[in-house]
Amino acid sequence: QVQLVESGGGVVQPGWSLRLSCAASGFNFSDFGMHWVRQAPGKGLEWVGVISYDRSIVYYADSVKGRFTISRDNSKNTLFLQMNSLRAEDTAVYYCAKEGLTYTYFFYYGMDGWGQGTTVTVSS
Amino acid sequence: DIHMTQSPSSVSASVGDRVTITCRASQGITNWLVWYQQRPGKGPDLLIHAASTLEAGVPARFSGSGSGRDFTLTISSVQPEDFATYYCQQVDSTPYTFGQGTKLV
Repeated sequence: QVQLVESGGGVVQPGWSLRLSCAASGFNFSDFGMHWVRQAPGKGLEWVGVISYDRSIVYYADSVKGRFTISRDNSKNTLFLQMNSLRAEDTAVYYCAKEGLTYTYFFYYGMDGWGQGTTVTVSS
Repeated sequence: DIHMTQSPSSVSASVGDRVTITCRASQGITNWLVWYQQRPGKGPDLLIHAASTLEAGVPARFSGSGSGRDFTLTISSVQPEDFATYYCQQVDSTPYTFGQGTKLV
């Protein structure tokens, strides 16, 4: 079955950088787009961005555009989220999630597999 | 950006009750709407895609309907394991925005 394990979270100061990883197993990672979604403490879900199966398409939420970068290594079944210039409002649990459709640049299906999340806290 | 308005923010129910949650998009999204269930401390689970198609393994007491701007998630007979928070998300265009969530208590 689909298994996604996020890592790399921690406590950092405003302006610092952090790189999250998501190790995937149980499915053909290179066939599927992958998303990042975050959830601030006690709040709802916020979509962060998505990368297509072949890395050719990457979309971001406006709130992270220019600061965050999504990438993937299909040879290692791993998704990444590079977060720069972190702000207090980036404090959240970060989830990686698998798109439900294969070989697509149109992410119409929704996210049918999720990790357990990794916590990022930005505080001085 | 497409704004998703979910209501109510919280709904109280007893086992066996019928519950309906609504989601309205700020513009038409055809049927590109999904529903998730999230239990405390867990990542969400996809319940329904394309507004009304139940995911494999999701109990038939869950159903979705709607198109255009207005959508509903219905639980026909609430079971103890259904007490959780439910989110809609539009997948018509980026950014793929979520509703604010409905907590079933």
